[in-house]
Amino acid sequence: DGGITQSPKYLFRKEGQNVTLSCEQNLNHDAMYWYRQDPGQGLRLIYYSQIVNDFQKGDIAEGYSVSREKKESFPLTVTSAQKNPTAFYLCASSRWGLNTGELFFGEGSRLTVL
Amino acid sequence: AQKVTQAQTEISVVEKEDVTLDCVYETRDTTYYLFWYKQPPSGELVFLIRRNSFDEQNEISGRYSWNFQKSTSSFNFTITASQVVDSAVYFCALSEAIQGAQKLVFGQGTRLTINP
Repeated sequence: DGGITQSPKYLFRKEGQNVTLSCEQNLNHDAMYWYRQDPGQGLRLIYYSQIVNDFQKGDIAEGYSVSREKKESFPLTVTSAQKNPTAFYLCASSRWGLNTGELFFGEGSRLTVL
Repeated sequence: AQKVTQAQTEISVVEKEDVTLDCVYETRDTTYYLFWYKQPPSGELVFLIRRNSFDEQNEISGRYSWNFQKSTSSFNFTITASQVVDSAVYFCALSEAIQGAQKLVFGQGTRLTINP
């Protein structure tokens, strides 16, 4: 079945460590996104990518980095510079074009910093 | 700047009751899109509906209905005869009508609990 796969589902990290969250899609979508979800704050856009080898900062990009070497993959690295990394991270994808609106989401990765 | 407000943080009702989730938005764009997504306990967001700013016609899909009113900048969502399976977090979202990436601005979400 087509969809978005995020891994790991749960991740624990010590302070000062970088961690990378994986996101893979087999929907043949051009655009991919990373959102962060915190209780009571909804979803906030971290980074997005419209095509391979190109990505743009979202509203809260500080302390995060991404790459887009393949159309199917859009990994997110949470660096030690991110001051409050404990959160639920959601990856999404969509077709590129006039705003069709529908984002397809993965089941998320929950990161806890110990 | 665009903004979406869902004033109801949590709602709890008994099964079979009707429930309305409120959504108020702010934008300076004349052309924009509004959305509702559902987040079940599994975590992924599921697309429910999209409305563009030129289409104020209300929509009904089974037990779900949506009321879009530009005059009050609202896009409310009603579930009729609620069921336990409707329990989830619901998000309202807004985006510009542009080509390319779908940059959505989400509200804070409303956690809906349907009790048997």
